[in-house]
Amino acid sequence: AAGVIQSPRHLIKEKRETATLKCYPIPRHDTVYWYQQGPGQDPQFLISFYEKMQSDKGSIPDRFSAQQFSDYHSELNMSSLELGDSALYFCASSLGQGFQETQYFGPGTRLLVL
Amino acid sequence: AQSVTQLDSHVSVSEGTPVLLRCNYSSSYSPSLFWYVQHPNKGLQLLLKYTSAATLVKGINGFEAEFKKSETSFHLTKPSAHMSDAAEYFCVVSSQAGTALIFGKGTTLSVSS
Repeated sequence: AAGVIQSPRHLIKEKRETATLKCYPIPRHDTVYWYQQGPGQDPQFLISFYEKMQSDKGSIPDRFSAQQFSDYHSELNMSSLELGDSALYFCASSLGQGFQETQYFGPGTRLLVL
Repeated sequence: AQSVTQLDSHVSVSEGTPVLLRCNYSSSYSPSLFWYVQHPNKGLQLLLKYTSAATLVKGINGFEAEFKKSETSFHLTKPSAHMSDAAEYFCVVSSQAGTALIFGKGTTLSVSS
């Protein structure tokens, strides 16, 4: 079965640079979520989109922005990167939005900021 | 606000012995609860979920969990551990609107031969 696709899988950036992470949800899934997992930490919710509209916002820095496109893929844009942004970034998708829906996670993008 | 507390940061078992990973939740509404597993350098895989149907939920790889409202618990169990079960396990609650997941701090399961 098709899964959530994230690209790139690994990314190395310098401080103050920008990065763009991409997420392609499972076909027919209309909801996308972004999470950040720091080293040895639990995943923290950043932001979510349903039908191309932002549906919720968590602990996402103002330096980050995201959007969902007409084909339902999503991009997380990160500017003025800091060392503390080094983390594993997960994208998840679901069919519909609701507390009973299951979120299926992608393999993650590992970002290293030097 | 909703939250989950995983009572053990690390659990060690021998292969073939039972596994118990404990999780308590706090929620102002009837929650959806999940267990996800993360193997080293891998993504998050859903083990099982509870969404107000049967209180005993069976998942993949022989895992199951029981929702106990009176104890606000959702413990994960497996009758017999396998070496391949060694991983990080997260107890997770959904936000009321379903727009986000709130993760526990995780429990590292070690399995020795």
